[in-house]
Amino acid sequence: DAGVTQSPTHLIKTRGQQVTLRCSPKSGHDTVSWYQQALGQGPQFIFQYYEEEERQRGNFPDRFSGHQFPNYSSELNVNALLLGDSALYLCASSVTGFGNEQYFGPGTRLTVT
Amino acid sequence: QKEVEQNSGPLSVPEGAIASLNCTYSDRGSQSFFWYRQYSGKSPELIMSIYSNGDKEDGRFTAQLNKASQYVSLLIRDSQPSDSATYLCASASGGSYIPTFGRGTSLIVHP
Repeated sequence: DAGVTQSPTHLIKTRGQQVTLRCSPKSGHDTVSWYQQALGQGPQFIFQYYEEEERQRGNFPDRFSGHQFPNYSSELNVNALLLGDSALYLCASSVTGFGNEQYFGPGTRLTVT
Repeated sequence: QKEVEQNSGPLSVPEGAIASLNCTYSDRGSQSFFWYRQYSGKSPELIMSIYSNGDKEDGRFTAQLNKASQYVSLLIRDSQPSDSATYLCASASGGSYIPTFGRGTSLIVHP
């Protein structure tokens, strides 16, 4: 049973550039959430996708956008990168209606220089 | 503002001892509670979920929930050096699909 997968593993970008991160949910899961985790902090919720629509959004600017595809996979896009966007980006998948248990992928380490 | 509070630690225990990790939450509407383990440089791994008051045991792990006092705890029996990690507590309210995470408690199990 494949778990949550994310790509790429690591990424280095320059300020002002744009980046796209990808996530495939665990088999049987229909909901994808994205989190940003800075060093020494807990994961901060960016947004959640269900049925190809953004269902909830955290306190992140519009530079952060996403998409969910019919196969439940998802993308996170960040425009106009800032140094402060450097973090571990986590994708978590879950099944809506089943206790909110979320399973995380390995993450993408983004470094903005 | 929904908050989940954890002591950042580090909590240091000897091998074989019981490690006790605690967490408090502010949202009285919280109904789902989770403990994640996160090794340095890795992503969080779900180790326990608890939804009802009382204790829930899974192997060496026991989660305890007290909704009246708004706290959740995780006990790790017979602690091993491989348990050394950061433990994240999270809670979700009944009307939300999104857990709120604490900052985590660093646990060090020394031989």
